[in-house]
Amino acid sequence: ETGVTQSPTHLIKTRGQQVTLRCSSQSGHNTVSWYQQALGQGPQFIFQYYREEENGRGNFPPRFSGLQFPNYSSELNVNALELDDSALYLCASSLDKGRFMEAFFGQGTRLTVV
Amino acid sequence: GDSVTQMEGPVTLSEEAFLTINCTYTATGYPSLFWYVQYPGEGLQLLLKATKADDKGSNKGFEATYRKETTSFHLEKGSVQVSDSAVYFCALMANTGNQFYFGTGTSLTVIP
Repeated sequence: ETGVTQSPTHLIKTRGQQVTLRCSSQSGHNTVSWYQQALGQGPQFIFQYYREEENGRGNFPPRFSGLQFPNYSSELNVNALELDDSALYLCASSLDKGRFMEAFFGQGTRLTVV
Repeated sequence: GDSVTQMEGPVTLSEEAFLTINCTYTATGYPSLFWYVQYPGEGLQLLLKATKADDKGSNKGFEATYRKETTSFHLEKGSVQVSDSAVYFCALMANTGNQFYFGTGTSLTVIP
């Protein structure tokens, strides 16, 4: 049990729809990152948030966007869903941006786009 | 850019066999290296890490040594158990970076 919780655990969306995934970081953690793990692949970095500001972004299109709230929980939003967006989305949090090597990962949200 | 290449699977071993999963990396500078494990239907759990050359990370009988000269971080365990069946990911993070770079994962199945 890492203290990082993600919701929902599974969901199915239709191509072209929009989706919001949520992450509650471990208590006291102010840095959150999101990763996309396609089937049979390693996780790929989407972006990181530190104290409500984006602190780095991977090679993902602008239709992937995020938010971090004052309580440091976070959302990942994906617009105009494509079939290739089907993946496990992982959230990870750490005590501070300089300590992300000590990050804890959540269980993930399994998104299926049909 | 930074990247990790790990041995392709799947790997199937009998209980009590010796395990090696190879991992090599490309990075500028001196990254920290990690092994993560993912059990079916779950997220990632840190298995072990090493932050500088010649460091050995160890946990639950698993070991890996940071070899700068061969840019490698191979995972080993002397005697695997059925409960070790999972997918193993090698990863790196630059010391001034904020993201993990993961390999593609190696699936391990241990049979009784």
